[in-house]
Amino acid sequence: GAVVSQHPSRVICKSGTSVKIECRSLDFQATTMFWYRQFPKQSLMLMATSNEGSKATYEQGVEKDKFLINHASLTLSTLTVTSAHPEDSSFYICSATTGNSPLHFGNGTRLTVT
Amino acid sequence: GIQVEQSPPDLILQEGANSTLRCNFSDSVNNLQWFHQNPWGQLINLFYIPSGTKQNGRLSATTVATERYSLLYISSSQTTDSGVYFCAVRGGGSQGNLIFGKGTKLSVKP
Repeated sequence: GAVVSQHPSRVICKSGTSVKIECRSLDFQATTMFWYRQFPKQSLMLMATSNEGSKATYEQGVEKDKFLINHASLTLSTLTVTSAHPEDSSFYICSATTGNSPLHFGNGTRLTVT
Repeated sequence: GIQVEQSPPDLILQEGANSTLRCNFSDSVNNLQWFHQNPWGQLINLFYIPSGTKQNGRLSATTVATERYSLLYISSSQTTDSGVYFCAVRGGGSQGNLIFGKGTKLSVKP
């Protein structure tokens, strides 16, 4: 149980375009979802926290207008990277939880902006 | 916020050897998880262990919450154990997110 599906696993886009990443909890309802970013050979850094039906909370230094997060239901959160630039190339991972329980992670999305 | 320190940063083992990875954290936590990140980036949840000891095959973990550390033991290591091991914690005042350490990169040589 507790499966988190993230799609796509890999995407290559041109500079200036937007990319949407989906994160779904398949067999549980996620009250909260988290989006992390990981640069090569570094650790995971929290970008934002999203709760169903409310605005996401962004970590300091993360541009909310660039990284749009929508948590429309208890099983789906999306991250849209708008007007992507090469420096946005990274590994993005979502996670979900039902509350005070273990976090379950998707398999990540490797974004390459050319 | 909570600081998470992992040691050692890098570890090279011969196949069959045992190892201990350490995670220190700076404040009380209500969640601690150990992950193995494989070469494709996938995070494998190894243990959910805010306190106590758990074992799963060749892996075991112990968290001593009062002393703010956790240990991950790998016995009879195999080449497939290679990758990065992350410790991540959640503090009581957080929104539920995990704070990750910088990881231990393990390389197991045949």
